Amino acid sequence: SYELTQPPSVSVSPGQTARITCSGDALPKTYVYWYQQKSGQAPVLVIYEDSNRPSGIPERFSGSSSGTMATLTVSGAQVEDEADYYCYSTDSSGNQWVFGGGTKLTVL
Amino acid sequence: QVQLQESGPGLVKPSQTLTLTCTVSGDSVSSRSYYWSWIRQPAGKGLEWIGRIYTTGSTDYNPSLESRVTISLDASKNQFSLRLTSVAAADTAVYYCARDDFRRLNLNYYYMDVWGKGTRVTVS
Repeated sequence: SYELTQPPSVSVSPGQTARITCSGDALPKTYVYWYQQKSGQAPVLVIYEDSNRPSGIPERFSGSSSGTMATLTVSGAQVEDEADYYCYSTDSSGNQWVFGGGTKLTVL
Repeated sequence: QVQLQESGPGLVKPSQTLTLTCTVSGDSVSSRSYYWSWIRQPAGKGLEWIGRIYTTGSTDYNPSLESRVTISLDASKNQFSLRLTSVAAADTAVYYCARDDFRRLNLNYYYMDVWGKGTRVTVS
């Protein structure tokens, strides 16, 4: 079965840049999506199709993808950005959709 | 404003069937612009996509759950439902329903753009 791999945790100080990676064999051919989930809440889409930001998402959130790795970047991370972040994508056939294991971003 | 609300029993006995319903407001499950998905999350763990349905009744399921899952749609009530058979403790989770936007490119891409708040289901 297809898998997306994320680091369990990333920690930065307020104002620093946080980078969360997601690796998967099919990423050179498929888009990745990123979700933010704050404690006790439903996930929120923050990046779609590798690098597009939905309306209402702050500009400090950006995404990129190169080869088998996609990256979510939070530039000038703020305390309110503390959350779990999940990447989401499909295998090369488009039939199996999976989430990465999630990365806990700590900003303090 | 599109809103989704999950409903169903909070407690299900092992080996029984879990049925959850998602009620949609502000949009129509008959829309040809979206799919409708179920996702779950065990306590302290990550997200797992369960499956999705389109207005035509066409469905896609997670292969790991496909033998036990049925997703259906009731346009008259603007709802869609999840049925999971032979539940076990491992099915204990928060279950979310969501609206899937989609794009037909080199592949068909689906992503959840609106989520319900989730409902907690315990199998015990």
